[in-house]
Amino acid sequence: QVQLQQSGAELAKPGSSVKISCKASGYTFTTYYISWIKQTTGQGLEYVGYINTGSGGTDYNEKFKGKATLTVDKSSSTAFMQLSSLTPDDSAVYYCARSNSFGGFAYWGQGTLVTVSS
Amino acid sequence: DVVMTQTPVSLSVSLGGQTSISCRSSQSLVHSDGNTYLYWYLQKPGQSPQLLIYKVSNRFSGVPDRFSGSGSGTDFTLKISRVEPEDLGVYYCYQGTHYPYTFGAGTKLELK
Repeated sequence: QVQLQQSGAELAKPGSSVKISCKASGYTFTTYYISWIKQTTGQGLEYVGYINTGSGGTDYNEKFKGKATLTVDKSSSTAFMQLSSLTPDDSAVYYCARSNSFGGFAYWGQGTLVTVSS
Repeated sequence: DVVMTQTPVSLSVSLGGQTSISCRSSQSLVHSDGNTYLYWYLQKPGQSPQLLIYKVSNRFSGVPDRFSGSGSGTDFTLKISRVEPEDLGVYYCYQGTHYPYTFGAGTKLELK
C-alpha cells in the first residue's frame, strides 16, 4: 500500500534552517509528483510547491520562493523540503502529499510539526 | 491567487441527517484542457486530510456513496447524507486548476 512517512517534529531557532523528509513506499517513486502543504491555525492550508520526482524539476508558490527548497533522492525514494531563514511565521505542520493521475492528493504523509522559537 | 470561499464555517448535524457545504471560487475552475480540478478533503481530528471527491463529482476509492459532489464553473457543493460519527471533522475544498493551487478555509462538521 502507498505510504508517505515523514520525519519527526523539529524545534528550530529563528534564522536557522530545517530539512524535512518524506519517504515513499508502495509504488514507483518517480511516477508521481510530490507536493508540500503548510497548515497553520491562522492561515489554514497553503500550497508550498511540488517536485517532479523523476526529473527533479520544481515549481513553487511565489509566497514560498526563497523559503522552501524541494529536492529528491531517487535512490531512497525520499523527498525533502528545506526551510531556510526561519521565523516564527514558519511554525506549522508541513505535509507531503502524492499527486494522482486525476490530480489532487490521494495520499498524505502524517505531517511534520516545525516550531520556530528562541 | 484564486480565493476559495467555503460556507458555512461550521455545521451542526444529527446522526443520520443530511447536510451540504458550499465552495465558491473567485475564478472559473475550468482548465484549458476541459477538466475542472475541484476536490474535497476531510480532515479528522489529529489526522492528515483525506481525499473524498476528485474533479467535482468523482468519489475516491473507498469513499461511501453518502458523499456526493456537484457544481461547475465557480460554484460547487459537497453533500453528505446519513451522517455517521466518522464523518465529523473539517472539510476543505481545493482547486488544482490555477497555480498556485489553493484551499478553502474549511467547514467544521459537528454533532448536534
